[in-house]
Amino acid sequence: AQKITQTQPGMFVQEKEAVTLDCTYDTSDPSYGLFWYKQPSSGEMIFLIYQGSYDQQNATEGRYSLNFQKARKSANLVISASQLGDSAMYFCATVSNFGNEKLTFGTGTRLTIIP
Amino acid sequence: DAGVIQSPRHEVTEMGQEVTLRCKPISGHNSLFWYRQTMMRGLELLIYFNNNVPIDDSGMPEDRFSAKMPNASFSTLKIQPSEPRDSAVYFCASSFGPLEAEAFFGQGTRLTVV
Repeated sequence: AQKITQTQPGMFVQEKEAVTLDCTYDTSDPSYGLFWYKQPSSGEMIFLIYQGSYDQQNATEGRYSLNFQKARKSANLVISASQLGDSAMYFCATVSNFGNEKLTFGTGTRLTIIP
Repeated sequence: DAGVIQSPRHEVTEMGQEVTLRCKPISGHNSLFWYRQTMMRGLELLIYFNNNVPIDDSGMPEDRFSAKMPNASFSTLKIQPSEPRDSAVYFCASSFGPLEAEAFFGQGTRLTVV
């Protein structure tokens, strides 16, 4: 079984500053994937970034990067130069391997960007 | 592609009534997931299908909940009889293939049971 822990229920960050959202995971699988999703107030779930457990480099997608520390089982999301539109809920998720594609989500972090 | 399509977007029903939520996954995707989101419990996976076959339904709360996927382009989540504690946003998501597949979410159905 997998478990995702997001310890920050809410964060307030000044516009243009960088943000780090914490995510730790617990899995016994040797191969797995890690995802971050954004959920704005409108409710839809938007995929942001993916990291495979065997990827040598940290994933990056525009202003988003994933600080993957496998030994610590952490997959923190870093948002550079935050914008007002970044205000949303952010969910970390993991998926197992061996044909089991079930996504397990954390409880989320509500990020509010302050102008 | 129009993305994952869910209907209805909003549903208000009386306790005891049957509710059916519908989902059309993205064409070509072979995995489909039903999630429930509440303030108290966050996002919970209810059930997921792979190639139209239910793989894991351990998240289905109780016998009042049932899900079907009669073909690759359609799935339903049914609650009968509905109760006020079923009020939540229900998301359907689909993905193609294995581990590194991104799951695309529908816009959700907001269910209110009064």
